[in-house]
Amino acid sequence: KQEVTQIPAALSVPEGENLVLNCSFTDSAIYNLQWFRQDPGKGLTSLLLIQSSQREQTSGRLNASLDKSSGRSTLYIAASQPGDSATYLCAVRPPTNAGKSTFGDGTTLTVKP
Amino acid sequence: DAGVIQSPRHEVTEMGQEVTLRCKPISGHDYLFWYRQTMMRGLELLIYFNNNVPIDDSGMPEDRFSAKMPNASFSTLKIQPSEPRDSAVYFCASSLGRTGGTEAFFGQGTRLTVV
Repeated sequence: KQEVTQIPAALSVPEGENLVLNCSFTDSAIYNLQWFRQDPGKGLTSLLLIQSSQREQTSGRLNASLDKSSGRSTLYIAASQPGDSATYLCAVRPPTNAGKSTFGDGTTLTVKP
Repeated sequence: DAGVIQSPRHEVTEMGQEVTLRCKPISGHDYLFWYRQTMMRGLELLIYFNNNVPIDDSGMPEDRFSAKMPNASFSTLKIQPSEPRDSAVYFCASSLGRTGGTEAFFGQGTRLTVV
């Protein structure tokens, strides 16, 4: 059974700092990995999707990497801003059951002005 | 497209009552998912549909929960009878692609409180 872990559960940084969020998974047989952002009381917003054949994806100040063999993904946020404060979740999708993603519990990020 | 639309946004009901949550996926998406989120258990997949057909309902907690997708633009999640432990935020999501390789888009959720 796939297990997804995100450490740390919470992170607080000063504005302007570069930071890395971690996601690890136990079964390397994945179809893709997706990073989401969730603001309090809101739904999940997709940030980046990495297919299993890819190593990284970039969108603006965000860069996500994937190392399937080690079961790890990182989300790098450059020059963090207070507006980046949210909970970040990663989800992995298996190749054999196309719809059934497994989510991590998320990392709650606070960027202080 | 307005994205995935869920209704109601908030629902407060008494224990034992029937609750129906509604979802309109993004037009053209062929996958629809129902999730439940709580502080204790995080985000859990309850059931998902492909082309209106339920594919995996192994996450549905018990027989009190049922989901339907009568057409490509509408799905419901019903709880009957509801219990206080059903209190959670319920999300609907949709995605495009038979291989499941594309992004999932989430609705804003329905916050259910059963008293």
